[in-house]
Amino acid sequence: DSGVTQTPKHLITATGQRVTLRCSPRSGDLSVYWYQQSLDQGLQFLIQYYNGEERAKGNILERFSAQQFPDLHSELNLSSLELGDSALYFCASSPLAGRTDTQYFGPGTRLTVL
Amino acid sequence: SQQGEEDPQALSIQEGENATMNCSYKTSINNLQWYRQNSGRGLVHLILIRSNEREKHSGRLRVTLDTSKKSSSLLITASRAADTASYFCATPTSGGQNFVFGPGTRLSVLP
Repeated sequence: DSGVTQTPKHLITATGQRVTLRCSPRSGDLSVYWYQQSLDQGLQFLIQYYNGEERAKGNILERFSAQQFPDLHSELNLSSLELGDSALYFCASSPLAGRTDTQYFGPGTRLTVL
Repeated sequence: SQQGEEDPQALSIQEGENATMNCSYKTSINNLQWYRQNSGRGLVHLILIRSNEREKHSGRLRVTLDTSKKSSSLLITASRAADTASYFCATPTSGGQNFVFGPGTRLSVLP
């Protein structure tokens, strides 16, 4: 158990809908990262927050947005969902925001868009 | 951005044998990390090796880094069925604070 929690574990929804994925980092970790993992794209970095502020942006679509709250939990919002958004979404956390930080991954949310 | 590419894509061995997987990357890095992912689960950090280190050990894991060849290898000795997983190398991006993961090596250890 990494100490990172994600809810829900599974999510099934329809095209065009909007969903919110939630992540609670390990106690004391200030950075939260979001990743998308699909069979054809592999593990793709989406976005990073550090202590409430956006720190780095990866291959995140404009339909997706995220935020980190004062209690350091984070939410990833996915809107206007398409079939291709079906994937595993992982949250990871690290103590700081350095390049040598180990990232601790949550169990993931499996999103299925029908 | 840098990207690690693992090789081979898939590897199947018998229990007790050693497994070696490689990672190549494109530009200079100051560290490289290896992670393991069991099917459908979150990634688990295995080991970090810094650019000034050539070799590092952790239990049955041995990681090497050759910065001149821009490559790293992960050796798992005396493999067990529980080692069956995908293994990823991760390299930091040049300007940001995040990592880029390679496509991974799928290791199957047969009993």
